[in-house]
Amino acid sequence: DAGVTQSPTHLIKTRGQQVTLRCSPKSGHDTVSWYQQALGQGPQFIFQYYEEEERQRGNFPDRFSGHQFPNYSSELNVNALLLGDSALYLCASSQRGAQETQYFGPGTRLLVL
Amino acid sequence: AQTVTQSQPEMSVQEAETVTLSCTYDTSENNYYLFWYKQPPSRQMILVIRQEAYKQQNATENRFSVNFQKAAKSFSLKISDSQLGDTAMYFCAFMKHGGNDMRFGAGTRLTVKP
Repeated sequence: DAGVTQSPTHLIKTRGQQVTLRCSPKSGHDTVSWYQQALGQGPQFIFQYYEEEERQRGNFPDRFSGHQFPNYSSELNVNALLLGDSALYLCASSQRGAQETQYFGPGTRLLVL
Repeated sequence: AQTVTQSQPEMSVQEAETVTLSCTYDTSENNYYLFWYKQPPSRQMILVIRQEAYKQQNATENRFSVNFQKAAKSFSLKISDSQLGDTAMYFCAFMKHGGNDMRFGAGTRLTVKP
């Protein structure tokens, strides 16, 4: 049973570029949440997707957007990258009705130069 | 808004000894969940233990146990018989019942010394 997978593992971009990160949830899970973890800090909630819609959003600008596909996988898009967007981006999956049980992926390390 | 505070940026313990990591939180909710996650250098966040606020009994998972003080809004993690593999960042987290987002503290870096 595959757990949560994320791709790519590492990514380097320059300021102003756009990036897309991908997440496949654990088998049987239908909900995907994204978190940003800056160096030396705890993860911060970006948003959550369920039934292909954004259900809740944290305090992040509109440059951060997402998508969920019918197979429950998800993408996180960040436009107009800033140096401050450099972080580890974590995806977590869960089942609707059991949100308190979230399984995290290994993350994508994004470096913006 | 809920906040989670971990006041110990770094801690160390000798192998086989016991260590306690502290966490306090602030919320007006009555029903919620508290978590301790471990993040080793591999970056994968691994759930160590979970506590449901309406349960008075402290959660225990093998060598890991918590001291949950609801009135004091305190949730500490005790690791017994520390092992080298316990070396990692430990994050305390909060989620309100029925919520979607998890709130994390800043983490405590634990080093287990041989």
